[in-house]
Amino acid sequence: DGGITQSPKYLFRKEGQNVTLSCEQNLNHDAMYWYRQDPGQGLRLIYYSQIVNDFQKGDIAEGYSVSREKKESFPLTVTSAQKNPTAFYLCASSTGGYTGELFFGEGSRLTVL
Amino acid sequence: DQQVKQNSPSLSVQEGRISILNCDYTNSMFDYFLWYKKYPAEGPTFLISISSIKDKNEDGRFTVFLNKSAKHLSLHIVPSQPGDSAVYFCAGSIGDSNYQLIWGAGTKLIIKP
Repeated sequence: DGGITQSPKYLFRKEGQNVTLSCEQNLNHDAMYWYRQDPGQGLRLIYYSQIVNDFQKGDIAEGYSVSREKKESFPLTVTSAQKNPTAFYLCASSTGGYTGELFFGEGSRLTVL
Repeated sequence: DQQVKQNSPSLSVQEGRISILNCDYTNSMFDYFLWYKKYPAEGPTFLISISSIKDKNEDGRFTVFLNKSAKHLSLHIVPSQPGDSAVYFCAGSIGDSNYQLIWGAGTKLIIKP
């Protein structure tokens, strides 16, 4: 089945540790995105990418980093510089560049202890 | 500053009746709006969109209405079915680029049998 796979679904981390969230898609989509969702707030864009080895900062990129070494993969690293990393993270992809329907993964919930 | 607001965190509707989900926005430059639906433990999925050149768009049981003067859009579901129970997100943007979307916090719709 084609789709987007995020892992892990749940992750616990100690303060000061970096953590990487995986996002893989087999939809052959060019564009990929990372969003953060907090209670009572809408999705906020962290990073996005249209082609391999190129990505752009979204509205809340501080404390995060990404890579796009393969078309299928867009991992997100939450660094120790992110002041409030506990959140629900969603990865998405779209065809046709940055337009067109977004296809989302199931999300990863990160809790910092 | 939330540019897209969904003021009702939840809504309960009897099966067979009409469900009306509301969304307000503050940016008068927004010209593209969409709705996504999210079931528990799944990623959001696209439902319906509308461009500002229209004031209504229909897709089966789902109709979105846009009132530009009031900066308000609404999603009507007629008739409501148990499978419509989900969280509904609205989003708006200037142009139809996904990276420009501003998302509301969502409304949880519960359809009572």
